[in-house]
Amino acid sequence: KNQVEQSPQSLIILEGKNCTLQCNYTVSPFSNLRWYKQDTGRGPVSLTIMTFSENTKSNGRYTATLDADTKQSSLHITASQLSDSASYICVVQSGGSYIPTFGRGTSLIVHP
Amino acid sequence: DGGITQSPKYLFRKEGQNVTLSCEQNLNHDAMYWYRQDPGQGLRLIYYSQIVNDFQKGDIAEGYSVSREKKESFPLTVTSAQKNPTAFYLCASRSLTTADTGELFFGEGSRLTVL
Repeated sequence: KNQVEQSPQSLIILEGKNCTLQCNYTVSPFSNLRWYKQDTGRGPVSLTIMTFSENTKSNGRYTATLDADTKQSSLHITASQLSDSASYICVVQSGGSYIPTFGRGTSLIVHP
Repeated sequence: DGGITQSPKYLFRKEGQNVTLSCEQNLNHDAMYWYRQDPGQGLRLIYYSQIVNDFQKGDIAEGYSVSREKKESFPLTVTSAQKNPTAFYLCASRSLTTADTGELFFGEGSRLTVL
């Protein structure tokens, strides 16, 4: 069964600090991995996509990594801002399927 | 602007009533999805549709029904048979063309509360 596990479940940091969120997956065959950001009471929005051949990809202060051998991904947030407070969801797409597999998300709270 | 629109944003229902959540997209996407989100849980798939007049059950379809009469529209009905309907409901769409990267485009969600 395809599964996506995220850690930590929740995280509290001070504004300006860095943090890293983790995602482990067992999805086969692997097609791509996305990180979504979901603000409270809103729909998720894609931050970045990682394909099999990509190791690192940045989107502003967000940097995603992918290790396809160990089936792990991370999302690093640099110099956090209050607006980074949200849930971050790891979603893995398997080849040939229309149904992606969702992680439960990491809830990030950034305090001033 | 192109996007996906859900309505209403908030909905209150008495026990025993059916309610319908609207989802409309003008992205010309082929596939549409309904997810349910509960606190501390991931998104769970209720129904999805790849083409007009066809849809499939997801993991938690019991107590829900959908229709796909038009490409742009995918309404969800929460029936009285759904035992615990209070939740946040998200509609999403996806292109299935050759340019498809698997990205889901979500609406802003509908929060249903049973009184």
